[in-house]
Amino acid sequence: EAQVTQNPRYLITVTGKKLTVTCSQNMNHEYMSWYRQDPGLGLRQIYYSMNVEVTDKGDVPEGYKVSRKEKRNFPLILESPSPNQTSLYFCASSLQRGRVEQFFGPGTRLTVL
Amino acid sequence: GESVGLHLPTLSVQEGDNSIINCAYSNSASDYFIWYKQESGKGPQFIIDIRSNMDKRQGQRVTVLLNKTVKHLSLQIAATQPGDSAVYFCAENGSPGNTGKLIFGQGTTLQVKP
Repeated sequence: EAQVTQNPRYLITVTGKKLTVTCSQNMNHEYMSWYRQDPGLGLRQIYYSMNVEVTDKGDVPEGYKVSRKEKRNFPLILESPSPNQTSLYFCASSLQRGRVEQFFGPGTRLTVL
Repeated sequence: GESVGLHLPTLSVQEGDNSIINCAYSNSASDYFIWYKQESGKGPQFIIDIRSNMDKRQGQRVTVLLNKTVKHLSLQIAATQPGDSAVYFCAENGSPGNTGKLIFGQGTTLQVKP
């Protein structure tokens, strides 16, 4: 089944404790992206990647890092999480950048205490 | 600035009726628009998309209408069913050549009454 998977689905952590949220897609998509979803603010792009080893900042990149060593994986790294990073995170992928459908993962609900 | 808005935060309809969800966008350079459905606890799920060279596109029980003159997008759902209850988001791609991000509206919650 074609899909985007994320792990973990739920995470409660404390300020400053480094964490990684994994994202994997099995559709051989070139483009991958991370969004966060917050009430009243909708979905906002954090980082994106057009292909292996090519990543760039989205609208709200502060406090996050990403890497794209393999085409299928695009982990989101929070080196020193803070409470304002408490949010619902979605990974998405598409065949290419632009006028094509983006497929979303199931989401990761993160709480930083 | 870039923004995509939906006219109503909540829409309540009777099962079997048709639903119309509206969306206004502000970036006249956008050339691709998409509707997503998000059920509780899940990620956004693709419903239908439309490119700016079209003004109407139909899918199974859904129709998207695009009016570029007034920068308005709508999603019509025929014979609404309880399973259609969800939050619906419109999104645009912003200016061509951008980061590839989708610019999302705030969402409309569709409630289907039995």
